[in-house]
Amino acid sequence: QQQVKQSPQSLIVQKGGISIINCAYENTAFDYFPWYQQFPGKGPALLIAIRPDVSEKKEGRFTISFNKSAKQFSLHIMDSQPGDSATYFCAASGGGSNYKLTFGKGTLLTVNP
Amino acid sequence: ETGVTQTPRHLVMGMTNKKSLKCEQHLGHNAMYWYKQSAKKPLELMFVYSLEERVENNSVPSRFSPECPNSSHLFLHLHTLQPEDSALYLCASSQVSLRGTYNSPLHFGNGTRLTVT
Repeated sequence: QQQVKQSPQSLIVQKGGISIINCAYENTAFDYFPWYQQFPGKGPALLIAIRPDVSEKKEGRFTISFNKSAKQFSLHIMDSQPGDSATYFCAASGGGSNYKLTFGKGTLLTVNP
Repeated sequence: ETGVTQTPRHLVMGMTNKKSLKCEQHLGHNAMYWYKQSAKKPLELMFVYSLEERVENNSVPSRFSPECPNSSHLFLHLHTLQPEDSALYLCASSQVSLRGTYNSPLHFGNGTRLTVT
């Protein structure tokens, strides 16, 4: 059973545009929601994370929006650059197994110059 | 440069072979993880060691056998694998509290690309 659903599977954006990736979760005990970025040949690396006590977190061009009632969260990349081309994974953890992350399937982002 | 080092980067093995994957973390963390990454699937958590004790064994077939001799080293011993076991195997580490909550994000290595022929 997939507990974190991520969409879209792939996304193509022009340089300077806004990239938006969405995730939905089922487990109401989740209380930590990170996004990971993975370049080819590399392992995933933490990009930004949010806890449900806030509805938005911004770090540079990257913003997480969180909607607790809808059990959804999204990643917005403003002014997308070709160097942002990578696979992005949302994840969630919480409840009795805080150390264990449940990941989405990933979104392959391509930013065209 | 990642603080989690995995070797080898690539491995091709036959179904009757025995091989081991190695992971070493230089971050002073107390928990280590093995994940399996297959195309178009979520990362699958295989094993978790916290304070050198296995705290998670996620219904992984016995042909995968983990070993954690200390908090800095993690191995995955492989034997009689199947072609469907071909994937990228990722090691990760983090710091966890005694209650099992995250104190730090997961730090991943760059993985071992395993091909079973």
